[in-house]
Amino acid sequence: AQTVTQSQPEMSVQEAETVTLSCTYDTSESDYYLFWYKQPPSRQMILVIRQEAYKQQNATENRFSVNFQKAAKSFSLKISDSQLGDAAMYFCAYVQGAQKLVFGQGTRLTINP
Amino acid sequence: DTGVSQNPRHKITKRGQNVTFRCDPISEHNRLYWYRQTLGQGPEFLTYFQNEAQLEKSRLLSDRFSAERPKGSFSTLEIQRTEQGDSAMYLCASSFGGGEGGPSYEQYFGPGTRLTVT
Repeated sequence: AQTVTQSQPEMSVQEAETVTLSCTYDTSESDYYLFWYKQPPSRQMILVIRQEAYKQQNATENRFSVNFQKAAKSFSLKISDSQLGDAAMYFCAYVQGAQKLVFGQGTRLTINP
Repeated sequence: DTGVSQNPRHKITKRGQNVTFRCDPISEHNRLYWYRQTLGQGPEFLTYFQNEAQLEKSRLLSDRFSAERPKGSFSTLEIQRTEQGDSAMYLCASSFGGGEGGPSYEQYFGPGTRLTVT
């Protein structure tokens, strides 16, 4: 069975600094997708960024970028120029095809002004 | 596109009562998913539909849980004889399963229904 592990329960960063959130996963499949979702306090889950496993190029969305290492099964999220609105729980998730998302345990990110 | 909606947003019930939640997916999405999230944890998969067909159900889902998507549009999740351990956030998500542009595996989430069983 596929598993996703986020080893950092909590992270904090100064406003305007850069922070990296870690994620590792385990799968025997070669074709899959990885996502980072953001869940602000008492608000709904928002998709931040996606990565297709067959693409070698790391995905980027404005201040958010990933470091995808397929062989190491690692998928970290880098947030540049952190803003107060980035404070949230961040979940790494794996999916193969149209099946269920498998989520990690989450990392709570705090932004210090 | 109004996004995924869920009703009610909050439900408080007494142990042993039945509850039903509703999810309305994004209109062109043919796949619909239910997840459960407890405090401080990532969501756990419950079940999913493609159109009106229920294609997968978690082994963790007890017989007290049932879900339907009768016309391939909205879905309902019913919990019978609720227990305190059922207290959680119930999340619905939808995705687009295919077409000229191909499938999208991104799932878009609703705001959830928070269930409290007393």
